[in-house]
Amino acid sequence: QQQVKQSPQSLIVQKGGISIINCAYENTAFDYFPWYQQFPGKGPALLIAIRPDVSEKKEGRFTISFNKSAKQFSLHIMDSQPGDSATYFCAAEIDSGAGSYQLTFGKGTKLSVIP
Amino acid sequence: DGGITQSPKYLFRKEGQNVTLSCEQNLNHDAMYWYRQDPGQGLRLIYYSQIVNDFQKGDIAEGYSVSREKKESFPLTVTSAQKNPTAFYLCASSIDRDSGHYEQYFGPGTRLTVT
Repeated sequence: QQQVKQSPQSLIVQKGGISIINCAYENTAFDYFPWYQQFPGKGPALLIAIRPDVSEKKEGRFTISFNKSAKQFSLHIMDSQPGDSATYFCAAEIDSGAGSYQLTFGKGTKLSVIP
Repeated sequence: DGGITQSPKYLFRKEGQNVTLSCEQNLNHDAMYWYRQDPGQGLRLIYYSQIVNDFQKGDIAEGYSVSREKKESFPLTVTSAQKNPTAFYLCASSIDRDSGHYEQYFGPGTRLTVT
């Protein structure tokens, strides 16, 4: 059972435009929501993260919007650049007990920013 | 230079052979993780370890084994029992950055091809 649903699978945005990636979760026990950026052949890198008690977090051109009641969160990339072209993963963290934390990942969105 | 090292970057094996993937970290992180990444599937958790000499199965542990004899090292063995071992394998480690929330940092990955 997939617990974090991510859309779209792929996204093409013109340079300077806004890229929007959406995620929805089912388990209300998730309490931390990071986004990762992955370039081809590389490991994912943490981009930005949010807790459910905050509705929005902004870091530079990247913003997470969080809707706890709808169990949805999204990543907005403002002024998208060709260098932003990568695969983006949303994730949700859960405390699985005894000080153990696990991440559940969405299936990823491949973003292409065209000049 | 701190970080997570995975070796080798590319690995080729014949079907029926066991193979061990290396993961080393010098970040002094307690927790370490192994994920498998397949195209369009996101990251799926194989095993994780919160402390030395202890590890837990993730969502897709069948056909894999791990050990955690040292804090810095968390090798993954892909056994011949794994039905479809060809994939990109990612190791991660995590630290509690902000009381109750763990940030996971990923290595560069090992691409395993079994023929």
